[in-house]
Amino acid sequence: GENVEQHPSTLSVQEGDSAVIKCTYSDSASNYFPWYKQELGKGPQLIIDIRSNVGEKKDQRIAVTLNKTAKHFSLHITETQPEDSAVYFCAARGGGGFKTIFGAGTRLFVKA
Amino acid sequence: DVKVTQSSRYLVKRTGEKVFLECVQDMDHENMFWYRQDPGLGLRLIYFSYDVKMKEKGDIPEGYSVSREKKERFSLILESASTNQTSMYLCASRPGSRGLSSYNEQFFGPGTRLTVL
Repeated sequence: GENVEQHPSTLSVQEGDSAVIKCTYSDSASNYFPWYKQELGKGPQLIIDIRSNVGEKKDQRIAVTLNKTAKHFSLHITETQPEDSAVYFCAARGGGGFKTIFGAGTRLFVKA
Repeated sequence: DVKVTQSSRYLVKRTGEKVFLECVQDMDHENMFWYRQDPGLGLRLIYFSYDVKMKEKGDIPEGYSVSREKKERFSLILESASTNQTSMYLCASRPGSRGLSSYNEQFFGPGTRLTVL
């Protein structure tokens, strides 16, 4: 079935460093790739997304890249801050546009 | 500002009890979803609904049922709770008619942490 793999499961960085989270998807019909941030005690919240007709998208300190051929997409956070500490989920949606398949999540720790 | 609310943040039930988890969204979204979140497994879809009184099974529907009598409300029902249903349950909603919601943002509620003893 459809699957999204996410790595690493845990990531610890020093404040100011960059963080990269990588995902691969199995369904070649996927055409939308959102990233969610989940802070403690809250539901996931969309932070950035990318469509399959775009290779890269940037929003301030966050960027996403998509390689459709390899079925890889990545989240890049630059100049990390302690408030970036959270669980991040990648996801893929496509085909009928209905179901969103989520990765297992990455717990990011940013050390001050 | 879209708001998805869930009836309880924490819930403790006993094995065999019938459990109702309620979700309400205030943005007139057509689509609503129930997920469960477990460490290392991400979010797994239990059921979803794209219209009032319509429901479709997700990836792990066994042991659950749902009800959508009104557009803004989507209920998850555990007919006979079991210990393996201890989990975080997340409700979400998304705008768009069926098949036309590929790119629409999905909004999540804060979650209900259910413990079944």
